Amino acid sequence: GEDVEQSLFLSVREGDSSVINCTYTDSSSTYLYWYKQEPGAGLQLLTYIFSNMDMKQDQRLTVLLNKKDKHLSLRIADTQTGDSAIYFCALPFGSSNTGKLIFGQGTTLQVKP
Amino acid sequence: DVKVTQSSRYLVKRTGEKVFLECVQDMDHENMFWYRQDPGLGLRLIYFSYDVKMKEKGDIPEGYSVSREKKERFSLILESASTNQTSMYLCASTMDGASNQPQHFGDGTRLSIL
Repeated sequence: GEDVEQSLFLSVREGDSSVINCTYTDSSSTYLYWYKQEPGAGLQLLTYIFSNMDMKQDQRLTVLLNKKDKHLSLRIADTQTGDSAIYFCALPFGSSNTGKLIFGQGTTLQVKP
Repeated sequence: DVKVTQSSRYLVKRTGEKVFLECVQDMDHENMFWYRQDPGLGLRLIYFSYDVKMKEKGDIPEGYSVSREKKERFSLILESASTNQTSMYLCASTMDGASNQPQHFGDGTRLSIL
């Protein structure tokens, strides 16, 4: 079945770039999403990329998609302490039209001052 | 902006109690979802609903039921709460299943079963 994998933890210094990686098994997804979860809160849609794109840039965020390797990454430039959160990648679940998403386990980003 | 509202941020209940978690969305979304989130396990889908009175089991439905009597409201029910249901519960909604729209989440309910 579909699977989405992320590393669990990343620690960076303030001002550095952060790169959060995600690999997946299902290649039929049309959109791929990144969500951010701040402590004690729900998930907030951060950005997304359409499957026919290789890259999408949105201010400090860059999403890269390598469909051949089934690899998605989120780069945060000039990482700030306010970026400390859990980041989830998510893909539509298979080919069903239910709106279901499959989520990675989430990567906890720790930003040190 | 889509607003998904969960009725409680924190809830403490006792083992064996019947527990209701409520979720309301204000954007006329067709599909609604209930997840639980546990450290290291990510989000696991409990149930989802694609229309009023329609529901489907997710990955971990055991010990839970749901109710969708009105389009905007999706309730999660713990029939007889147990300590292993202590978790963070997240509700989400999306426009429908065909348009590949993202899911929008509530702020979560942190439920403790004593």
